[in-house]
Amino acid sequence: AQSVTQPDIHITVSEGASLELRCNYSYGATPYLFWYVQSPGQGLQLLLKYFSGDTLVQGIKGFEAEFKRSQSSFNLRKPSVHWSDAAEYFCAVVPYNNNDMRFGAGTRLTVKP
Amino acid sequence: EAQVTQNPRYLITVTGKKLTVTCSQNMNHEYMSWYRQDPGLGLRQIYYSMNVEVTDKGDVPEGYKVSRKEKRNFPLILESPSPNQTSLYFCASSPSGGFGQFFGPGTRLTVL
Repeated sequence: AQSVTQPDIHITVSEGASLELRCNYSYGATPYLFWYVQSPGQGLQLLLKYFSGDTLVQGIKGFEAEFKRSQSSFNLRKPSVHWSDAAEYFCAVVPYNNNDMRFGAGTRLTVKP
Repeated sequence: EAQVTQNPRYLITVTGKKLTVTCSQNMNHEYMSWYRQDPGLGLRQIYYSMNVEVTDKGDVPEGYKVSRKEKRNFPLILESPSPNQTSLYFCASSPSGGFGQFFGPGTRLTVL
């Protein structure tokens, strides 16, 4: 079945530590890929997106994501986490030849001082 | 300022009382959509609209209606709300298709 999976429901990292949030997708053709962030009580903000080309994508707020076709993954990374990064992160896809955006269940990030 | 606005932001109602949540965007976007967010389920699409007078069902359309009479507005209508529609609702828009959508601030709906 077609799906977007974020294996980690909740991750806790120390401020200044590196971060990687995982996202896997299951679609016949490579979909368009996105990461969104939702701060408490806020709407969703687009961090970055991948359509084609360079598999390492730079986004806002110092985030980057790497598309790996062989692993059907689009993991989000940040070298050094700040306390303000505490939020919920959603991986999303728009399947090829489709207009529907499908979201993963989300990963909640807690940042320890 | 480019934005998607939703009203109301918070709503508590009772079963069966019809309600409308409005959504408006000022970016001249063709594509608009509605999602509901529930714990552990992420966001699920309710309805989307490719353009004026063009709407289609998403993953969870039951119990909801939409209309797209103007490009900027995409109201979500619950004709007879039920407690299982208690959720956080987001409206979103994009220039075309579901790509890189701008999201509204959300409407938290409680149906008693």
